[in-house]
Amino acid sequence: QKEVEQDPGPLSVPEGAIVSLNCTYSNSAFQYFMWYRQYSRKGPELLMYTYSSGNKEDGRFTAQVDKSSKYISLFIRDSQPSDSATYLCATLNRDDKIIFGKGTRLHILP
Amino acid sequence: DTGVSQNPRHKITKRGQNVTFRCDPISEHNRLYWYRQTLGQGPEFLTYFQNEAQLEKSRLLSDRFSAERPKGSFSTLEIQRTEQGDSAMYLCASSFPGELYEQYFGPGTRLTVT
Repeated sequence: QKEVEQDPGPLSVPEGAIVSLNCTYSNSAFQYFMWYRQYSRKGPELLMYTYSSGNKEDGRFTAQVDKSSKYISLFIRDSQPSDSATYLCATLNRDDKIIFGKGTRLHILP
Repeated sequence: DTGVSQNPRHKITKRGQNVTFRCDPISEHNRLYWYRQTLGQGPEFLTYFQNEAQLEKSRLLSDRFSAERPKGSFSTLEIQRTEQGDSAMYLCASSFPGELYEQYFGPGTRLTVT
């Protein structure tokens, strides 16, 4: 089992909709969880990170971690065409290395 | 500009040639990381430095790959005798040592080996 699993999509939603992006992870010892956004042919950009369980909100973005089910989510409210990108979930493993999911390609349709 | 920069942005080379990439991290960050990303995959860890010391190398980093950070500032990644399988995006990131989860990435160098 891979340490972080993520559906590659693509996921297409109409502008203004709420987007839900999800990942699962394998090791209950993981404590830090990150979401990166990557535009085509660019480097990943850190959106937000969370520690342990719970929610964290930043503007239109909310990150959620459910440690009981080893599930990570990112919600985007009032989605915009400029949100179209690949979203990478990631965690810090026991060796202090960032392990990334494959990324989900998101298309926001105007 | 206080972000991570990488040069060149694109490199096309013939199989068997050597290539070198450069990364300039955020100046206050003393940790520097190299990753490789292929199409449809997330970045994969290659190696990292704390100041000028290379502390870890991934099994992905064959002996054709070498990385340096001579003065604890910029870093170079060299690939000798390139192979077509080396075609990928090479990403550099930097962080503070106490904030390993908060890495900031450069724009990457896209390598195409023909």
